[in-house]
Amino acid sequence: EAGVTQFPSHSVIEKGQTVTLRCDPISGHDNLYWYRRVMGKEIKFLLHFVKESKQDESGMPNNRFLAERTGGTYSTLKVQPAELEDSGVYFCASSLRSYEQYFGPGTRLTVT
Amino acid sequence: GQNIDQPTEMTATEGAIVQINCTYQTSGFNGLFWYQQHAGEAPTFLSYNVLDGLEEKGRFSSFLSRSKGYSYLLLKELQMKDSASYLCAHWGNNNDMRFGAGTRLTVKP
Repeated sequence: EAGVTQFPSHSVIEKGQTVTLRCDPISGHDNLYWYRRVMGKEIKFLLHFVKESKQDESGMPNNRFLAERTGGTYSTLKVQPAELEDSGVYFCASSLRSYEQYFGPGTRLTVT
Repeated sequence: GQNIDQPTEMTATEGAIVQINCTYQTSGFNGLFWYQQHAGEAPTFLSYNVLDGLEEKGRFSSFLSRSKGYSYLLLKELQMKDSASYLCAHWGNNNDMRFGAGTRLTVKP
């Protein structure tokens, strides 16, 4: 069974540009989560989808971040326009039952 | 508010036992998790506690006291491959997961 996959693995963009991160959860997992780890800080929750609906997006830092999960399968996280402080590793996780989340390998975003 | 506190670093010897503590102050509770994260890799699930007491799973055990807002992860018969960061995470009422900063464990021969 394939695990959670994320694309791209690395992204380097300039301040002001747009980047879209993609997450493909484990097949059949209705729950999908986005997290971010800024260097030197703890992993922070961003938001939680149940199928295509946003269950909780209280962790989204500001309106430059937009997450979507059309059709309840894969999800995208768009950052527009990117700022320097957006640099970090963005993790996606999915779960069948809420308490056992499987993490993807993460996307390392560098904004220069 | 949500404060999740755990030691920054710990060192232990191969074959020994180490206990990593985690305290939390949160406004809702659905469970307490421990994850292992090797450098440059994704966190991997270790344990989940929702009731008070000790959950044992092989060399790893996790304990929870909800009244004290306290959990620990116990690693027995340490191996060199156990060197990693161990993340304590609190699962809140909104299905949101809040992580501690992680404890970097170094296992020495």
